[in-house]
Amino acid sequence: KAGVTQTPRYLIKTRGQQVTLSCSPISGHRSVSWYQQTPGQGLQFLFEYFSETQRNKGNFPGRFSGRQFSNSRSEMNVSTLELGDSALYLCASSPRTSGRDEQFFGPGTRLTVL
Amino acid sequence: EDQVTQSPEALRLQEGESSSLNCSYTVSGLRGLFWYRQDPGKGPEFLFTLYSAGEEKEKERLKATLTKKESFLHITAPKPEDSATYLCAVAGGTSYGKLTFGQGTILTVHP
Repeated sequence: KAGVTQTPRYLIKTRGQQVTLSCSPISGHRSVSWYQQTPGQGLQFLFEYFSETQRNKGNFPGRFSGRQFSNSRSEMNVSTLELGDSALYLCASSPRTSGRDEQFFGPGTRLTVL
Repeated sequence: EDQVTQSPEALRLQEGESSSLNCSYTVSGLRGLFWYRQDPGKGPEFLFTLYSAGEEKEKERLKATLTKKESFLHITAPKPEDSATYLCAVAGGTSYGKLTFGQGTILTVHP
């Protein structure tokens, strides 16, 4: 089975711009979660989508948003970029079946904001 | 709020020198405790899920155990290729889709 894929792998933007990141989950997985990873804060949960609906949200400002399509692929958008948004953005998919909460991560998108 | 604390922050071992990593957690209604390995510049790689106190899982030189307050990742006779950051995470309560991670332990194994 192919793993989780994320595009693009690297991105450089300037302050004030917006960015869209894409994630394709493992085939058959309907849940997609997004995380931000920085050296200071570690891995922090952004939000989770299941069957095209946002089911859970972390403590991030409204500039961070996402969506999920009918094929379970997901996108994450960050508007009005700030320097502090520079991070590795990770997507994870899960089968989300009863008793199985483990998540499988993609390689991440490295976002640099100048 | 769920919390995860990992210790030590960094661990240096000689090849063949066994040791353990610790993960202490507080969570309301544990649904699962997860161990991941992360290499520089890559996403976390899933290792184990533990669901209840007393449970143990093994994979090659790694063995994970779980109590009601903490988990241990035992590394037996490590090799240089075991060098990585090891992350512990919990899923709790009704917060589906969310894992709460610790800061990780950076393991370096010298030949």
